[in-house]
Amino acid sequence: SQTIHQWPATLVQPVGSPLSLECTVEGTSNPNLYWYRQAAGRGLQLLFYSVGIGQISSEVPQNLSASRPQDRQFILSSKKLLLSDSGFYLCAWSVAGRAKTPLHFGNGTRLTVT
Amino acid sequence: DAKTTQPPSMDCAEGRAANLPCNHSTISGNEYVYWYRQIHSQGPQYIIHGLKNNETNEMASLIITEDRKSSTLILPHATLRDTAVYYCIVRASTGANSKLTFGKGITLSVRP
Repeated sequence: SQTIHQWPATLVQPVGSPLSLECTVEGTSNPNLYWYRQAAGRGLQLLFYSVGIGQISSEVPQNLSASRPQDRQFILSSKKLLLSDSGFYLCAWSVAGRAKTPLHFGNGTRLTVT
Repeated sequence: DAKTTQPPSMDCAEGRAANLPCNHSTISGNEYVYWYRQIHSQGPQYIIHGLKNNETNEMASLIITEDRKSSTLILPHATLRDTAVYYCIVRASTGANSKLTFGKGITLSVRP
């Protein structure tokens, strides 16, 4: 069966520090991968999605970037964190080429920028 | 993606059916209706999806009106663990990068 892993579960970082969140998927090949963010008391916002290695689409211009160095690995990064980057970051995957299949989410990383 | 409208909150008694409504009056012919839920501090959990026929799985039933402009998610026997935010989403069926757009959802509170 397929599983998705995100780490760390929680993270506290000072303003201006770098960020690297990692997500890996097991049990499937060539998945579509997504990064979402949920700010406190708000809905989920799509940040990035990827349909293949090295292919990244950005939904919202901001202080973050994403990379997909391997088929089942998705990384969210920042060179310098802002206070507004605080939130709950969620990685998700879906079966490639079949848009009606559901997204499956990881358990998220709660990031607090101080 | 088409937008959806959900009431902000509702409650129901434990053991009773919970009927969660959703309006999606601008839904297109190729858009599916998806339901997810999010328990506090966890990632969203997929529940069910459908196009125009009613659907049922081990978690819930999805009833879609004939004109597809609204739908209802039914939890047949709600438990305290069903307390969560439930999201109704419409999503195009075409395109490998078809994305989910989450709104604010409806907060379901199941009371003992």
